[in-house]
Amino acid sequence: DTGVSQDPRHKITKRGQNVTFRCDPISEHNRLYWYRQTLGQGPEFLTYFQNEAQLEKSRLLSDRFSAERPKGSFSTLEIQRTEQGDSAMYLCASSPPGTKEAGANVLTFGAGSRLTVL
Amino acid sequence: QKEVEQNSGPLSVPEGAIASLNCTYSDRVSQSFFWYRQYSGKSPELIMSIYSNGDKEDGRFTAQLNKASQYVSLLIRDSQPSDSATYLCAVNGMKTSYDKVIFGPGTSLSVIP
Repeated sequence: DTGVSQDPRHKITKRGQNVTFRCDPISEHNRLYWYRQTLGQGPEFLTYFQNEAQLEKSRLLSDRFSAERPKGSFSTLEIQRTEQGDSAMYLCASSPPGTKEAGANVLTFGAGSRLTVL
Repeated sequence: QKEVEQNSGPLSVPEGAIASLNCTYSDRVSQSFFWYRQYSGKSPELIMSIYSNGDKEDGRFTAQLNKASQYVSLLIRDSQPSDSATYLCAVNGMKTSYDKVIFGPGTSLSVIP
């Protein structure tokens, strides 16, 4: 297993354009999380999935953000009509099933997708 | 009140000293607590997890949990320059959403040779 993969690693776009990020989690992990991180801040929770079900979406997110995880495998995060304030590192993480003592909520992160909105 | 708070940095300690990092959380029913390390330009990686009150040791790292005080700490003994990084406290198992994992803002640690 190669870990959590994210693509693209870096995206530069103009304000108003749409962008989509992809995340491939570790194959046996059933939970998948998206976070946004800006310089000097901790990862900010965006949304998470258990299998194909999106269980929660941050109230901080506008309707311009949408995430999917069809068939409970890879996930996509789309940002519509990007704004300069969307510039950040978008981190994907996954975690295995099971009990907490077995590491059920221990996150393995991908390398991230850095978005720059001009 | 933020869900997870950490002592503001940056924290500087000399090589060989003990570094102490602190974290408080707001949801009393939180179940699981984690410390992640993030090097500059890299993604977070897990250092330790703790689920029960008391201390948990792993090499030079000791995590301490006090659920009554809603407080988690990380001690790094014999600090090395390679420990210089941002340390993120994370909490899970909250009343509002059991599997959501929330991170604090992080504390930047610098170990001076």
